[in-house]
Amino acid sequence: ETGVTQTPRHLVMGMTNKKSLKCEQHLGHNAMYWYKQSAKKPLELMFVYNFKEQTENNSVPSRFSPECPNSSHLFLHLHTLQPEDSALYLCASSQDLENNEQFFGPGTRLTVL
Amino acid sequence: GQNIDQPTEMTATEGAIVQINCTYQTSGFNGLFWYQQHAGEAPTFLSYNVLDGLEEKGRFSSFLSRSKGYSYLLLKELQMKDSASYLCASMDSNYQLIWGAGTKLIIKP
Repeated sequence: ETGVTQTPRHLVMGMTNKKSLKCEQHLGHNAMYWYKQSAKKPLELMFVYNFKEQTENNSVPSRFSPECPNSSHLFLHLHTLQPEDSALYLCASSQDLENNEQFFGPGTRLTVL
Repeated sequence: GQNIDQPTEMTATEGAIVQINCTYQTSGFNGLFWYQQHAGEAPTFLSYNVLDGLEEKGRFSSFLSRSKGYSYLLLKELQMKDSASYLCASMDSNYQLIWGAGTKLIIKP
């Protein structure tokens, strides 16, 4: 238990569905991250939020839409995904951007049919 | 470009020692991280090096050579529970972590 929770743990969706992934951290951290992890590939950083402000968007398609209502919560809204978007989506947090020991949630295993 | 290289898979015997190497090329450098990830679980932090040399933490040690763009993770007295993927990540000048694809370590009795 790292202090970062994610729901749901597993999600199967069709290409026309809309769904949201949720992340919550109980560590009092100021920075939160979304990563995509595909088999045998490096972790891909998708979005970074620092004090609720988005600081990075690494060329992520618009079908992924992040939302950070406060420093403890982070959402990833999904719409009209493609089968190649099937992956493990990991949320992480750190005290701030410079103190980058990141604490990860257990991830959401997403399958797009 | 930015690049992290580490072996895809390694096998070792219970009780032995294994060294997992990592080479990195990033735009700027603010430290080198190692994470452990068991199958189906979240990555967990193992070590952080920003200065050259060896950092020891129990059975695990991590080494850094900034001039060579090289790091290794040394695991001693291997236990079956050490079977996992080990992820190397370099922090660039923007404080972003650039990740390797991970080394899957298989421990045999």
